[in-house]
Amino acid sequence: SQQGEEDPQALSIQEGENATMNCSYKTSINNLQWYRQNSGRGLVHLILIRSNEREKHSGRLRVTLDTSKKSSSLLITASRAADTASYFCATALPIIIQGAQKLVFGQGTRLTINP
Amino acid sequence: SQTIHQWPATLVQPVGSPLSLECTVEGTSNPNLYWYRQAAGRGLQLLFYSVGIGQISSEVPQNLSASRPQDRQFILSSKKLLLSDSGFYLCAWNSQAGGWYEQYFGPGTRLTVT
Repeated sequence: SQQGEEDPQALSIQEGENATMNCSYKTSINNLQWYRQNSGRGLVHLILIRSNEREKHSGRLRVTLDTSKKSSSLLITASRAADTASYFCATALPIIIQGAQKLVFGQGTRLTINP
Repeated sequence: SQTIHQWPATLVQPVGSPLSLECTVEGTSNPNLYWYRQAAGRGLQLLFYSVGIGQISSEVPQNLSASRPQDRQFILSSKKLLLSDSGFYLCAWNSQAGGWYEQYFGPGTRLTVT
């Protein structure tokens, strides 16, 4: 299986509830990033957490990183219908050349927020 | 502010025909540039990346090639398309400065090979 696997593959919740998505990876990383993709569109960067960080917040988003378990979670609090999208974790390998890095994406979690 | 463009937005091409997808970035200089492919319902696969004009790193052996003729222009090409080349192609960039490694994606090109 490939680096950066999200769990669950699909999640459907009611508006206002919290949504939690998990990501597991296999190798050492420099950082881990979460992206959102609306249907048929490009990806939008949400949050980046470095390998020496354990938790990060941005608005209604909370990301945790456990490098000992090689896992991360994305929590969206007080979900809204506009949060409906696919969410991807991407792990950045330790080698960064002139700022360029290889991101390895998981297959994503399809989140549906029901009004 | 920085903007990334891709064209065309959609493309339907027969097997064996050539391909040229273009990506341009505005509002920044010397960006790192990336080409990804996304199969339906799947994650993204890195195809190529470039840290400067004329420099291309290839990630997977395939029927595609990339070029960077100008600082902010990245082109994905094929001489003869295969059915398996169908997918959603995304261009992305990030800055070499400041230690910020998030990538910014274009709107994508949906390619269907028939």
